[in-house]
Amino acid sequence: KQEVTQIPAALSVPEGENLVLNCSFTDSAIYNLQWFRQDPGKGLTSLLLIQSSQREQTSGRLNASLDKSSGRSTLYIAASQPGDSATYLCAVRWYNTDKLIFGTGTRLQVFP
Amino acid sequence: EAQVTQNPRYLITVTGKKLTVTCSQNMNHEYMSWYRQDPGLGLRQIYYSMNVEVTDKGDVPEGYKVSRKEKRNFPLILESPSPNQTSLYFCASSNGQGAYEQYFGPGTRLTVT
Repeated sequence: KQEVTQIPAALSVPEGENLVLNCSFTDSAIYNLQWFRQDPGKGLTSLLLIQSSQREQTSGRLNASLDKSSGRSTLYIAASQPGDSATYLCAVRWYNTDKLIFGTGTRLQVFP
Repeated sequence: EAQVTQNPRYLITVTGKKLTVTCSQNMNHEYMSWYRQDPGLGLRQIYYSMNVEVTDKGDVPEGYKVSRKEKRNFPLILESPSPNQTSLYFCASSNGQGAYEQYFGPGTRLTVT
């Protein structure tokens, strides 16, 4: 069964820290992986999309890496700010399906 | 502005009363889908559509119907809502070609009493 797991479920860090969020997936035959941000009670905002042929993608202070062989992706946030506080979700699409499978997310709190 | 819109944003209804949640996108996307989000279970796909008149079941389709008569619209229909369908619902769309980056609507919070 194709599954996506995110650990930890919650993370609290002081402002300024660099941090890493983890996403694991079964079955390495992925088409792409997408990282989202969700603010409380709001919709999802796409942060980064990594195609299966790519190793990483960067946007500002965010860097997402992909290691298909180990079934992992990491989202690196540099110099975290209170405004980064949100839930971060990763989602995977595999080649043999048109479905997008989500992890349960990591709830991040950055305190001043 | 490129966006996915959903209506209503909030809905409280009673068991058995048919309802429709509308979803519309203005990006000419081919792929549209519906998700529900529940605490501890994350986002689960209900139905998706690869193009007009083409729909397929996701992971949790029971109790829901969809239709795709036009490219821009993908309504979610609950013929006889039950309390276990109380949830936060999201519509999403993506370009069927290329990157498949998903764009999400703002969500519809449904309560069935």
